[in-house]
Amino acid sequence: KAGVTQTPRYLIKTRGQQVTLSCSPISGHRSVSWYQQTPGQGLQFLFEYFSETQRNKGNFPGRFSGRQFSNSRSEMNVSTLELGDSALYLCASSPQTPHQETQYFGPGTRLLVL
Amino acid sequence: QQQVKQSPQSLIVQKGGISIINCAYENTAFDYFPWYQQFPGKGPALLIAIRPDVSEKKEGRFTISFNKSAKQFSLHIMDSQPGDSATYFCAASRNTGFQKLVFGTGTRLLVSP
Repeated sequence: KAGVTQTPRYLIKTRGQQVTLSCSPISGHRSVSWYQQTPGQGLQFLFEYFSETQRNKGNFPGRFSGRQFSNSRSEMNVSTLELGDSALYLCASSPQTPHQETQYFGPGTRLLVL
Repeated sequence: QQQVKQSPQSLIVQKGGISIINCAYENTAFDYFPWYQQFPGKGPALLIAIRPDVSEKKEGRFTISFNKSAKQFSLHIMDSQPGDSATYFCAASRNTGFQKLVFGTGTRLLVSP
């Protein structure tokens, strides 16, 4: 099976702009989670989607949002970008069956906000 | 209660040696403890995982030791190789059906030839 894919891989934006990142999960996986990775804060959970519904949300401002489509593909959006949003954004998918909660990560999208 | 504390921050081990990374958690509701390995420019990849009903799990050169009463778990890499040089993250989650991993801060491992 193909792994988790994320597009684009690299992105440069300026403060105040908005950005949309895309994630295609492993075929058959219905759960998609998003994480932000920075040198200072490490890996932090953003949100998780399952069957097009957001099931859990991390402690991030409302500028961070996401959605999931019927084919399980997911997008996350960050509006009014701030310098501190520069990070590696990781998407992870999971089969979400009992005792199969392993999350498989994509390569990430590296966002630089200038 | 949601924190996972990881140590050391960095580790240098000679080839053939044993690398040991430790993690401690506070939330007793956590019931799934994976370790991830991350190389530069790549996403984290699952290395090995354990549940609280066992005290040790071994896969090849990688072993997780789990101490439920102390709320600690550790990763041991036997016969460490230069190719093991990477950043390692411990994590924990609750079996609530929600896929939310709480990660440790990471350990940068360098295995010298």
